[in-house]
Amino acid sequence: AQSVTQPDIHITVSEGASLELRCNYSYGATPYLFWYVQSPGQGLQLLLKYFSGDTLVQGIKGFEAEFKRSQSSFNLRKPSVHWSDAAEYFCAVGDYNQGGKLIFGQGTELSVKP
Amino acid sequence: ETGVTQTPRHLVMGMTNKKSLKCEQHLGHNAMYWYKQSAKKPLELMFVYNFKEQTENNSVPSRFSPECPNSSHLFLHLHTLQPEDSALYLCASSQAGTYTEAFFGQGTRLTVV
Repeated sequence: AQSVTQPDIHITVSEGASLELRCNYSYGATPYLFWYVQSPGQGLQLLLKYFSGDTLVQGIKGFEAEFKRSQSSFNLRKPSVHWSDAAEYFCAVGDYNQGGKLIFGQGTELSVKP
Repeated sequence: ETGVTQTPRHLVMGMTNKKSLKCEQHLGHNAMYWYKQSAKKPLELMFVYNFKEQTENNSVPSRFSPECPNSSHLFLHLHTLQPEDSALYLCASSQAGTYTEAFFGQGTRLTVV
């Protein structure tokens, strides 16, 4: 079955510290992977996406993600977290022929300590 | 206006009411989607429309009735809902074709009382 797992429901990091959010997927075909962010009361904003090519993908707001086929993972990283990064982060896998048809993980809520 | 706009932002309705959610996209896309976001559950894809035609219905109860009159507008008609239908309903759009991505609206927070 196709699925996305985000093992961490809630993570707290100190401002300025590095961040890594985990994502594992199960998908029958070549995965088309995304990270979205959702601030309270808002919709989802795309941070980055990956289909092929360089396995390290750069996104907006200083985020990057690394695709590891052998581990079925697509972890999101940021070297130095800012207070404004506090939000919920969603990993998703989709069909490269229909970019809006997505299977989401349960999300990871990020809190940032001053 | 730019992007994907949803109205209303908040809606409270009784179980016997009929209401509609509206979504409009200003991105020139030709695919639109409804997602449901409940507490403690992953976002669930409800419906997919391509070029105004419904191409996917993920076993959604008939009390939810979508309508797509053109590629820019998508509605979700609601009737005789249950309290467990309370959720954030998100609309998204994308360009048909390969390697595209979805753009989401801000959602309608629905409470069924």
